[in-house]
Amino acid sequence: DVKVTQSSRYLVKRTGEKVFLECVQDMDHENMFWYRQDPGLGLRLIYFSYDVKMKEKGDIPEGYSVSREKKERFSLILESASTNQTSMYLCASSSNRPRLYEQYFGPGTRLTVT
Amino acid sequence: AQSVAQPEDQVNVAEGNPLTVKCTYSVSGNPYLFWYVQYPNRGLQFLLKYITGDNLVKGSYGFEAEFNKSQTSFHLKKPSALVSDSALYFCAVRETTNYGQNFVFGPGTRLSVLP
Repeated sequence: DVKVTQSSRYLVKRTGEKVFLECVQDMDHENMFWYRQDPGLGLRLIYFSYDVKMKEKGDIPEGYSVSREKKERFSLILESASTNQTSMYLCASSSNRPRLYEQYFGPGTRLTVT
Repeated sequence: AQSVAQPEDQVNVAEGNPLTVKCTYSVSGNPYLFWYVQYPNRGLQFLLKYITGDNLVKGSYGFEAEFNKSQTSFHLKKPSALVSDSALYFCAVRETTNYGQNFVFGPGTRLSVLP
């Protein structure tokens, strides 16, 4: 079974802190994604990566950066956390192999910025 | 640009009755379509997909979905709903970019199965 793990289930940080959220997948997937989920707004893509060291901005990249130094690991960085970044953060991965395109999601990190 | 609509925010159904959660899409080219389910405080779980082939796709937990190209729909169905099916359901379409694949999600439909 594909497993996508996220470093924390719950996180509380103060405004202005630098925050790291880590995601690891064990299925050699090429693609990895970071989303945030807020009530009434659905899933919004922050960044995605299609290869090591490669990244593309999603719909809401402002205030975030990402790092993918190894194929299995994709990190989301909040350079200076703000209260409006309080949210549920979901990581996902997917394969480029034909017919195996579905995404696999981690359990999520609920981040509260105070 | 690709898009996905889920016209109902909420669907209520009695246990034992059939359920349908609706999804329509707009894509250029052949659509690759997916359904995911999210239980409270959890990540999304993959339910089923349409890539090509039979229009009726079967997935996990007794769910199925019907791909209808002329109506650009991919509705999720189950013949007999369970209380444990109560969750948030997302429809998604795979989008091909210059760099690989991305996914566009619908806004989600909350399903409540009443005992």
